[in-house]
Amino acid sequence: GAVVSQHPSRVICKSGTSVKIECRSLDFQATTMFWYRQFPKQSLMLMATSNEGSKATYEQGVEKDKFLINHASLTLSTLTVTSAHPEDSSFYICSARETGLADSYEQYFGPGTRLTVT
Amino acid sequence: GQSLEQPSEVTAVEGAIVQINCTYQTSGFYGLSWYQQHDGGAPTFLSYNALDGLEETGRFSSFLSRSDSYGYLLLQELQMKDSASYFCAVTPRSYQLTFGKGTKLSVIP
Repeated sequence: GAVVSQHPSRVICKSGTSVKIECRSLDFQATTMFWYRQFPKQSLMLMATSNEGSKATYEQGVEKDKFLINHASLTLSTLTVTSAHPEDSSFYICSARETGLADSYEQYFGPGTRLTVT
Repeated sequence: GQSLEQPSEVTAVEGAIVQINCTYQTSGFYGLSWYQQHDGGAPTFLSYNALDGLEETGRFSSFLSRSDSYGYLLLQELQMKDSASYFCAVTPRSYQLTFGKGTKLSVIP
């Protein structure tokens, strides 16, 4: 149980184009999902907290107009990198908390999406 | 803001015990988590400590001292498959995670 999927797993795009990454909780509902970015051999940096049916909360320094987040259902959140540039190349990982488990701080992570902008 | 310190690399022998320390500074604190990540893979949850003391889950144990802003992950009976990066993470606000830079554990025969 508690599986999170991401699609695509890898994507290569040209500079200036937009890329959408999907994050799905497969066997549980997730009111809250999180988006992270991880550069090679570095830590996971929280970009934003995505709440179903409301606007995402972005961390300081993350451009909300560049990284568009939509959490339209209890099992799906999307991250769109708009007007991508080579410096946006990174490993993007989502995670989800299971709804209703107030005492659980465990997050379930997706397998990540490797974005390369040429 | 938050900052976490953990060793960048640790090497240990198969069958041995290894301890990975984590110290943190944070403006808010709900608890300390540990995650394991193999190269190219997703982080997987290992443990969570909200209160002082030791939590044991099989070969892995995690300890927290809130007064010292310190915790550690203890791995016993090391196996080759334990070679991975281990991240400590604080929860500064409800359900959010701020990760440390990670400790790369290499288990050698």
